[in-house]
Amino acid sequence: ETGVTQSPTHLIKTRGQQVTLRCSSQSGHNTVSWYQQALGQGPQFIFQYYREEENGRGNFPPRFSGLQFPNYSSELNVNALELDDSALYLCASSPGGNKPVGGYTFGSGTRLTVV
Amino acid sequence: QKEVEQDPGPLSVPEGAIVSLNCTYSNSAFQYFMWYRQYSRKGPELLMYTYSSGNKEDGRFTAQVDKSSKYISLFIRDSQPSDSATYLCATLVNTGNQFYFGTGTSLTVIP
Repeated sequence: ETGVTQSPTHLIKTRGQQVTLRCSSQSGHNTVSWYQQALGQGPQFIFQYYREEENGRGNFPPRFSGLQFPNYSSELNVNALELDDSALYLCASSPGGNKPVGGYTFGSGTRLTVV
Repeated sequence: QKEVEQDPGPLSVPEGAIVSLNCTYSNSAFQYFMWYRQYSRKGPELLMYTYSSGNKEDGRFTAQVDKSSKYISLFIRDSQPSDSATYLCATLVNTGNQFYFGTGTSLTVIP
């Protein structure tokens, strides 16, 4: 059984550019959530996808968007990058919504630096 | 006011010490209370969770939730250098899909 895989592990972008981050969910999981973790902070919820539909969104602007594919993998897209978007982006998958809590598995994240 | 408050530390203790990590929260609707461990350059890893109030023990780790005071605690007994990491508390309402995390406490256990 594989865990949650995120790619790339690191990348550097210029302010104003666009970026796509990818996440392969754990086998058997149909729900993917994305979190942003700024340096020295806890993860902040961006949004969740359940069976290819957005299933809740945190306090992030529309330039943060996502997709979930039929195989339950997911993408996070960020347009018009700002310096404050520099953070670790975490993907988490679970077998069904957020329950059971014990089945919620995080990937190692993508470290995005905006210069 | 943040949903979950956590002292960021850093906390440094000698090997074998008992460690106490704490969070407070503001929303009485929270029903799930989790503790995650995060090593450098890694994603959070679930240590344990409790539903509603009470204690839960798993080996050297004990989680406590006091809903009357909105206080969450994690105790680590006989701390080991391998416990050195950032510890994050998190909460969830019963019908919600958004985890609310504290800022994390950085712990170093000195051999």
